[in-house]
Amino acid sequence: SQELEQSPQSLIVQEGKNLTINCTSSKTLYGLYWYKQKYGEGLIFLMMLQKGGEEKSHEKITAKLDEKKQQSSLHITASQPSHAGIYLCGAVLMDSNYQLIWGAGTKLIIKP
Amino acid sequence: NAGVTQTPKFQVLKTGQSMTLQCAQDMNHNSMYWYRQDPGMGLRLIYYSASEGTTDKGEVPNGYNVSRLNKREFSLRLESAAPSQTSVYFCASSPRQVSGNTIYFGEGSWLTVV
Repeated sequence: SQELEQSPQSLIVQEGKNLTINCTSSKTLYGLYWYKQKYGEGLIFLMMLQKGGEEKSHEKITAKLDEKKQQSSLHITASQPSHAGIYLCGAVLMDSNYQLIWGAGTKLIIKP
Repeated sequence: NAGVTQTPKFQVLKTGQSMTLQCAQDMNHNSMYWYRQDPGMGLRLIYYSASEGTTDKGEVPNGYNVSRLNKREFSLRLESAAPSQTSVYFCASSPRQVSGNTIYFGEGSWLTVV
Protein backbone atom coordinates (compact mmCIF):
# COMPACT_ATOMS: atom_id res chain seq x y z
CA SER A 1 0.00 0.00 0.00
CA GLN A 2 1.32 3.49 -0.77
CA GLU A 3 -0.08 4.60 2.57
CA LEU A 4 2.70 2.60 4.20
CA GLU A 5 6.09 2.70 2.55
CA GLN A 6 8.93 0.40 3.48
CA SER A 7 12.55 1.08 2.65
CA PRO A 8 14.68 -0.33 1.33
CA GLN A 9 12.81 -2.85 -0.83
CA SER A 10 15.72 -5.24 -0.52
CA LEU A 11 18.94 -5.38 1.39
CA ILE A 12 22.07 -7.53 1.19
CA VAL A 13 24.17 -7.41 4.33
CA GLN A 14 27.37 -9.12 5.34
CA GLU A 15 26.92 -11.43 8.29
CA GLY A 16 27.78 -9.63 11.50
CA LYS A 17 26.85 -6.18 10.22
CA ASN A 18 24.04 -3.99 11.53
CA LEU A 19 21.11 -2.88 9.43
CA THR A 20 17.97 -0.74 9.59
CA ILE A 21 14.62 -1.05 7.83
CA ASN A 22 12.15 1.82 7.82
CA CYS A 23 8.38 1.94 7.63
CA THR A 24 6.78 5.34 6.97
CA SER A 25 3.11 6.22 7.00
CA SER A 26 1.33 8.96 5.08
CA LYS A 27 -1.37 9.09 7.76
CA THR A 28 -1.60 9.14 11.54
CA LEU A 29 -0.49 5.85 13.04
CA TYR A 30 -2.48 4.17 15.79
CA GLY A 31 -0.32 1.11 16.15
CA LEU A 32 2.44 -0.53 14.19
CA TYR A 33 3.37 -4.19 13.83
CA TRP A 34 6.51 -5.86 12.58
CA TYR A 35 6.41 -9.36 11.15
CA LYS A 36 8.98 -11.61 9.55
CA GLN A 37 8.22 -13.97 6.71
CA LYS A 38 10.42 -16.75 5.44
CA TYR A 39 9.86 -17.87 1.89
CA GLY A 40 7.07 -20.39 1.72
CA GLU A 41 6.00 -19.84 5.31
CA GLY A 42 3.58 -17.74 7.24
CA LEU A 43 4.19 -14.50 9.06
CA ILE A 44 5.88 -14.54 12.43
CA PHE A 45 5.02 -11.76 14.86
CA LEU A 46 8.04 -9.76 16.04
CA MET A 47 6.78 -6.66 17.82
CA MET A 48 3.89 -4.27 18.23
CA LEU A 49 4.41 -0.57 18.99
CA GLN A 50 1.60 1.64 20.09
CA LYS A 51 2.95 4.77 21.66
CA GLY A 52 5.16 7.48 20.25
CA GLY A 53 8.73 7.00 21.37
CA GLU A 54 8.10 3.38 22.25
CA GLU A 55 11.01 1.03 21.72
CA LYS A 56 10.95 -2.75 21.97
CA SER A 57 13.57 -5.43 21.57
CA HIS A 58 13.46 -9.11 20.74
CA GLU A 59 16.83 -10.83 20.83
CA LYS A 60 18.99 -8.72 18.46
CA ILE A 61 16.09 -6.90 16.84
CA THR A 62 14.98 -3.48 18.09
CA ALA A 63 12.06 -1.45 16.80
CA LYS A 64 11.18 2.17 17.55
CA LEU A 65 8.13 4.27 16.81
CA ASP A 66 8.59 7.95 15.98
CA GLU A 67 5.15 9.47 16.22
CA LYS A 68 6.17 12.86 14.85
CA LYS A 69 7.66 11.36 11.70
CA GLN A 70 4.90 8.70 11.49
CA GLN A 71 7.71 6.24 11.10
CA SER A 72 9.04 3.08 12.63
CA SER A 73 12.53 1.70 12.25
CA LEU A 74 13.63 -1.90 12.74
CA HIS A 75 17.26 -2.34 13.63
CA ILE A 76 19.15 -5.63 13.60
CA THR A 77 22.46 -5.78 15.40
CA ALA A 78 25.20 -8.21 14.39
CA SER A 79 23.10 -9.88 11.69
CA GLN A 80 23.01 -13.66 11.38
CA PRO A 81 21.84 -16.00 8.60
CA SER A 82 18.71 -16.68 10.68
CA HIS A 83 17.69 -13.04 10.20
CA ALA A 84 17.24 -13.54 6.45
CA GLY A 85 13.69 -13.24 5.17
CA ILE A 86 11.07 -10.65 4.34
CA TYR A 87 10.21 -8.06 6.97
CA LEU A 88 6.72 -6.63 6.82
CA CYS A 89 5.29 -3.68 8.69
CA GLY A 90 1.59 -3.31 9.23
CA ALA A 91 -0.20 -0.38 10.81
CA VAL A 92 -3.61 0.74 11.92
CA LEU A 93 -4.08 4.12 10.27
CA MET A 94 -6.57 6.91 10.54
CA ASP A 95 -9.55 5.94 8.32
CA SER A 96 -8.50 2.29 8.01
CA ASN A 97 -11.53 1.12 10.00
CA TYR A 98 -9.28 -0.52 12.60
CA GLN A 99 -7.80 -2.82 9.96
CA LEU A 100 -4.12 -3.26 9.29
CA ILE A 101 -2.60 -1.66 6.22
CA TRP A 102 0.64 -3.34 5.12
CA GLY A 103 3.87 -2.24 3.58
CA ALA A 104 5.22 -4.11 0.55
CA GLY A 105 8.00 -5.72 2.58
CA THR A 106 11.79 -5.58 2.75
CA LYS A 107 13.72 -8.61 1.55
CA LEU A 108 16.81 -9.19 3.67
CA ILE A 109 19.66 -11.39 2.47
CA ILE A 110 22.58 -12.16 4.76
CA LYS A 111 25.89 -12.95 3.06
CA PRO A 112 28.07 -15.38 4.98
CA ASN B 1 0.06 -25.85 19.24
CA ALA B 2 -1.78 -25.63 15.92
CA GLY B 3 -2.67 -21.88 15.98
CA VAL B 4 -4.14 -21.00 12.59
CA THR B 5 -4.47 -23.85 10.12
CA GLN B 6 -5.41 -23.33 6.50
CA THR B 7 -5.94 -25.77 3.67
CA PRO B 8 -5.04 -26.56 0.98
CA LYS B 9 -1.43 -25.40 0.88
CA PHE B 10 -1.21 -25.56 -2.91
CA GLN B 11 -3.91 -25.55 -5.57
CA VAL B 12 -4.04 -25.15 -9.32
CA LEU B 13 -7.39 -24.18 -10.80
CA LYS B 14 -8.64 -23.65 -14.31
CA THR B 15 -10.32 -20.36 -15.13
CA GLY B 16 -13.97 -20.54 -14.15
CA GLN B 17 -13.58 -23.30 -11.58
CA SER B 18 -14.64 -22.77 -8.00
CA MET B 19 -12.93 -23.67 -4.78
CA THR B 20 -12.99 -23.00 -1.07
CA LEU B 21 -10.04 -22.24 1.15
CA GLN B 22 -10.56 -23.49 4.67
CA CYS B 23 -9.23 -21.86 7.82
CA ALA B 24 -9.51 -22.82 11.46
CA GLN B 25 -8.03 -21.38 14.64
CA ASP B 26 -7.83 -23.01 18.04
CA MET B 27 -7.06 -19.91 20.12
CA ASN B 28 -10.68 -18.92 20.82
CA HIS B 29 -10.18 -15.69 18.89
CA ASN B 30 -13.14 -13.52 18.00
CA SER B 31 -11.76 -11.95 14.83
CA MET B 32 -10.59 -13.65 11.67
CA TYR B 33 -9.21 -12.36 8.37
CA TRP B 34 -8.39 -13.37 4.83
CA TYR B 35 -5.53 -11.63 3.04
CA ARG B 36 -3.89 -12.05 -0.31
CA GLN B 37 -0.21 -11.36 -0.93
CA ASP B 38 1.09 -10.37 -4.33
CA PRO B 39 4.66 -9.46 -5.29
CA GLY B 40 5.50 -5.85 -4.50
CA MET B 41 2.08 -5.15 -2.98
CA GLY B 42 2.26 -6.46 0.54
CA LEU B 43 -0.82 -7.96 2.13
CA ARG B 44 -4.29 -6.84 1.12
CA LEU B 45 -7.38 -7.57 3.15
CA ILE B 46 -10.09 -9.46 1.28
CA TYR B 47 -12.71 -10.01 3.97
CA TYR B 48 -12.77 -10.08 7.72
CA SER B 49 -15.03 -11.27 10.49
CA ALA B 50 -14.88 -9.11 13.60
CA SER B 51 -16.85 -11.68 15.57
CA GLU B 52 -18.82 -14.85 15.04
CA GLY B 53 -21.83 -14.14 12.89
CA THR B 54 -20.44 -11.06 11.16
CA THR B 55 -18.42 -10.57 7.99
CA ASP B 56 -17.26 -7.41 6.24
CA LYS B 57 -15.52 -6.50 3.03
CA GLY B 58 -11.91 -5.49 3.07
CA GLU B 59 -9.87 -3.72 0.45
CA VAL B 60 -10.21 -6.29 -2.38
CA PRO B 61 -13.44 -8.33 -1.95
CA ASN B 62 -14.51 -8.66 -5.59
CA GLY B 63 -14.63 -12.26 -6.80
CA TYR B 64 -14.68 -13.73 -3.28
CA ASN B 65 -17.19 -14.79 -0.69
CA VAL B 66 -16.66 -15.81 2.92
CA SER B 67 -18.44 -17.78 5.59
CA ARG B 68 -17.82 -17.58 9.31
CA LEU B 69 -19.05 -21.10 10.00
CA ASN B 70 -18.52 -20.87 13.76
CA LYS B 71 -16.05 -19.19 16.08
CA ARG B 72 -13.21 -21.45 14.92
CA GLU B 73 -13.69 -21.52 11.16
CA PHE B 74 -13.64 -18.89 8.44
CA SER B 75 -13.70 -20.02 4.81
CA LEU B 76 -12.95 -18.15 1.60
CA ARG B 77 -14.69 -19.12 -1.63
CA LEU B 78 -13.79 -18.33 -5.20
CA GLU B 79 -16.94 -18.89 -7.22
CA SER B 80 -15.42 -18.52 -10.68
CA ALA B 81 -11.65 -18.32 -10.52
CA ALA B 82 -9.78 -15.85 -12.70
CA PRO B 83 -6.04 -15.62 -13.46
CA SER B 84 -5.97 -12.32 -11.52
CA GLN B 85 -6.73 -14.37 -8.41
CA THR B 86 -3.42 -16.18 -8.66
CA SER B 87 -1.85 -15.26 -5.35
CA VAL B 88 -0.80 -16.44 -1.93
CA TYR B 89 -3.69 -16.38 0.52
CA PHE B 90 -3.27 -15.99 4.26
CA CYS B 91 -5.83 -16.58 6.95
CA ALA B 92 -5.29 -14.81 10.27
CA SER B 93 -6.97 -14.36 13.62
CA SER B 94 -6.78 -12.04 16.61
CA PRO B 95 -8.47 -11.95 20.04
CA ARG B 96 -10.55 -8.96 18.94
CA GLN B 97 -10.32 -6.49 16.09
CA VAL B 98 -6.72 -5.74 15.28
CA SER B 99 -6.00 -2.48 17.05
CA GLY B 100 -3.92 -3.33 20.09
CA ASN B 101 -4.10 -7.07 19.48
CA THR B 102 -1.53 -9.38 17.99
CA ILE B 103 -2.70 -11.01 14.78
CA TYR B 104 -1.69 -14.63 14.13
CA PHE B 105 -1.24 -15.99 10.63
CA GLY B 106 -1.57 -19.35 8.97
CA GLU B 107 1.18 -20.65 6.73
CA GLY B 108 -0.45 -19.58 3.49
CA SER B 109 -2.17 -21.17 0.51
CA TRP B 110 -0.56 -20.89 -2.92
CA LEU B 111 -3.24 -20.64 -5.60
CA THR B 112 -2.56 -20.63 -9.32
CA VAL B 113 -5.35 -20.02 -11.80
CA VAL B 114 -4.53 -21.02 -15.37
